[in-house]
Amino acid sequence: DAGVTQSPTHLIKTRGQQVTLRCSPISGHKSVSWYQQVLGQGPQFIFQYYEKEERGRGNFPDRFSARQFPNYSSELNVNALLLGDSALYLCASSLTDRGHTGELFFGEGSRLTVL
Amino acid sequence: AQSVTQLGSHVSVSEGALVLLRCNYSSSVPPYLFWYVQYPNQGLQLLLKYTTGATLVKGINGFEAEFKKSETSFHLTKPSAHMSDAAEYFCAVSSGYSTLTFGKGTMLLVSP
Repeated sequence: DAGVTQSPTHLIKTRGQQVTLRCSPISGHKSVSWYQQVLGQGPQFIFQYYEKEERGRGNFPDRFSARQFPNYSSELNVNALLLGDSALYLCASSLTDRGHTGELFFGEGSRLTVL
Repeated sequence: AQSVTQLGSHVSVSEGALVLLRCNYSSSVPPYLFWYVQYPNQGLQLLLKYTTGATLVKGINGFEAEFKKSETSFHLTKPSAHMSDAAEYFCAVSSGYSTLTFGKGTMLLVSP
């Protein structure tokens, strides 16, 4: 079975541009979460979606937005890019949004470089 | 609010030596605790987790961790390090939902 897939794997943008990152969850998983991992740091929670509804939001500015589609795939959008947005963006899927069935399975990430 | 502190950003061991990576957590509710491993340019792989029940948890690749509520700790150990264990290790805490709070990570270096 396919794991969590993310695209693109690498991308370079300039300050002020906008970026869209995509994630396909494991088949049957209804929850998708996004994390930002800046170099040398642990991942930091951005969003969680379950059944197409936002279930949680981390401490990120409104330039960050996300959505989940009927097929449970998800997009993360970042507007007005700043140099500090350079990071590895990780998507994780889970069966549900809580408890034992809330265990996260991570994709390999999208590495964003902002110049 | 929950938080995780990983003591030591880098830990160096010789091949065959004991591996000990330290993690302390803070949580206002009974925690779910996790250890993840990250190899260069890859995502996170779950090593082991504690939810409820037995406090000594065994994971993949010979790793284990013990939940000690009185010490608010969840240290990761492996009796004998292998070169392939060299990677970055992250401890994480959750309230039971699938939103994780991660520590800053510990880079494990293994020398021959």
